[in-house]
Amino acid sequence: GQNIDQPTEMTATEGAIVQINCTYQTSGFNGLFWYQQHAGEAPTFLSYNVLDGLEEKGRFSSFLSRSKGYSYLLLKELQMKDSASYLCAVMDSNYQLIWGAGTKLIIKP
Amino acid sequence: GAVVSQHPSWVICKSGTSVKIECRSLDFQATTMFWYRQFPKQSLMLMATSNEGSKATYEQGVEKDKFLINHASLTLSTLTVTSAHPEDSSFYICSAKIQGDTEAFFGQGTRLTVV
Repeated sequence: GQNIDQPTEMTATEGAIVQINCTYQTSGFNGLFWYQQHAGEAPTFLSYNVLDGLEEKGRFSSFLSRSKGYSYLLLKELQMKDSASYLCAVMDSNYQLIWGAGTKLIIKP
Repeated sequence: GAVVSQHPSWVICKSGTSVKIECRSLDFQATTMFWYRQFPKQSLMLMATSNEGSKATYEQGVEKDKFLINHASLTLSTLTVTSAHPEDSSFYICSAKIQGDTEAFFGQGTRLTVV
């Protein structure tokens, strides 16, 4: 079966760095997405990785290792507004998105 | 980036009535649109995939006669929840993509409450 695993909840301090991990097992791979979702709102796109390595975009970076079925989202200089759920999603061989359950990130002052 | 507009943002309806939710791609032609449902504290669950001009493909367990999906044009898809019940209360989200592109763009979601 297809499976996406990510931690349920994480807590970090304002100004710090946090890494949210995602492991996956899917039928085929056509890229991995990270989305941010604030409560009551639709997800917003953060990053897309299809090749191994690190993609940096401002305070957010995303890493992918296809051989390990592993990705992480790195958030630097955390701000209170970063409190949200972070969803990992993998596009499978049929170009369907398989979603993780999301990681709720709590930022404390 | 591309914009997907979903309407209404929230709706309250009586049990037994039907509700229609619209999803529009404002500045691109969406060959494929996806409809998701999300219960509180749970991940997105794909309900169906619709391609313009053809019947929607429903995920296992999703009743096609209850959740009617129409994708009549390249910029509009609608989801109609028929004979709504309280257990249909959820957050419904659409996303749209261009054929050959990898990224799907999300609408803002519709919170449906059935009373």
